[in-house]
Amino acid sequence: DAGVIQSPRHEVTEMGQEVTLRCKPISGHDYLFWYRQTMMRGLELLIYFNNNVPIDDSGMPEDRFSAKMPNASFSTLKIQPSEPRDSAVYFCASAYGFVHEQFFGPGTRLTVL
Amino acid sequence: AQSVTQPDIHITVSEGASLELRCNYSYGATPYLFWYVQSPGQGLQLLLKYFSGDTLVQGIKGFEAEFKRSQSSFNLRKPSVHWSDAAEYFCAVGGPSGNTPLVFGKGTRLSVIA
Repeated sequence: DAGVIQSPRHEVTEMGQEVTLRCKPISGHDYLFWYRQTMMRGLELLIYFNNNVPIDDSGMPEDRFSAKMPNASFSTLKIQPSEPRDSAVYFCASAYGFVHEQFFGPGTRLTVL
Repeated sequence: AQSVTQPDIHITVSEGASLELRCNYSYGATPYLFWYVQSPGQGLQLLLKYFSGDTLVQGIKGFEAEFKRSQSSFNLRKPSVHWSDAAEYFCAVGGPSGNTPLVFGKGTRLSVIA
């Protein structure tokens, strides 16, 4: 398996623009997690899905953030409108079973100017 | 609520020296514990995990960790560090109940000098 795939790897955008981050989990995994990593706050869980259904989105910082998982092999994290404070590395991770090892993607480094 | 503390933000060790990274957790029951490593520009990779049983856990790349319930600790160790071990290390705690996601510590950055 190719592992968790994220795209793009780097995104530079201007404040106010819409940003869409994409994730393809490992085939057969039933959990998908979105994280944000910053120097100040460390690794934060934003939202996670089980069998494509959002279970807990309490970590989503604002209504500007939304996430979807239309099928078992694809998820998106959207920021609209983007702000400079959204600049961070966003990771997607998948797992087979909630308490088991999470496999992380390489991340998307987002810079909002 | 569960939490993880990694007291050391940055540690520098000489190549060949031993290493211990500290992790303390707070959790109401028997936790599931993990150590992940993040190399620059990469995602997190699992080094080892503890669910139950033997409190000394062996992982990849020569790492081991020991679960000490009385101290609420899960410290990571390696007897001889290699330059390629320079990375960020994260401790994480989760619950076996299945309704508490992993909580990660803020990480310890390891530098290795010749």
